[in-house]
Amino acid sequence: DAGVIQSPRHEVTEMGQEVTLRCKPISGHNSLFWYRQTMMRGLELLIYFNNNVPIDDSGMPEDRFSAKMPNASFSTLKIQPSEPRDSAVYFCASTLGTSFGEQFFGPGTRLTVL
Amino acid sequence: DQQVKQNSPSLSVQEGRISILNCDYTNSMFDYFLWYKKYPAEGPTFLISISSIKDKNEDGRFTVFLNKSAKHLSLHIVPSQPGDSAVYFCAARDTSGTYKYIFGTGTRLKVLA
Repeated sequence: DAGVIQSPRHEVTEMGQEVTLRCKPISGHNSLFWYRQTMMRGLELLIYFNNNVPIDDSGMPEDRFSAKMPNASFSTLKIQPSEPRDSAVYFCASTLGTSFGEQFFGPGTRLTVL
Repeated sequence: DQQVKQNSPSLSVQEGRISILNCDYTNSMFDYFLWYKKYPAEGPTFLISISSIKDKNEDGRFTVFLNKSAKHLSLHIVPSQPGDSAVYFCAARDTSGTYKYIFGTGTRLKVLA
């Protein structure tokens, strides 16, 4: 079985550009999470969805960030406009259920904003 | 404001010895704790977990200890192997709101052959 799939694996862009990160969760999982990893703050939860509905977006840094989950097999995280401080590794994870146990992480997208 | 803290950014241990990774938390509403291991260029993978109703959980070479009064958990790896070299994250489930996991900043373990 395929794990969580993220694309692209690496993204280099210039400040002010729009960036879209993509995620395909494990088939059958109904909860999806977006995290950002930085040295200072570790893994921060940005937003999570349950049954395609956003449940908690309190970790989204600001209005420049938006996330969608149009169906059970696809989600996007968009940054518009991007800034150098957004440079980080972004992970998508999925799991089954709402009370949560083990989450399954994708390989991450390393974003560099110049 | 970090609710889950891993105060040691890195740790080096000799192969065959014990590795002890520590994690402190501040919120008494945390009821479930997990450890994840992360290799470079990969996503974190689940390692072991413990419920707040227990004080110890063991899985092979890995044991997690929970001290609720001190709001402290630790991961013991015995014996340590070079393949254990990775970044280890602890995570705590927050039940005070919408149920989510709060992760620490990670500890990089290096096991020396």
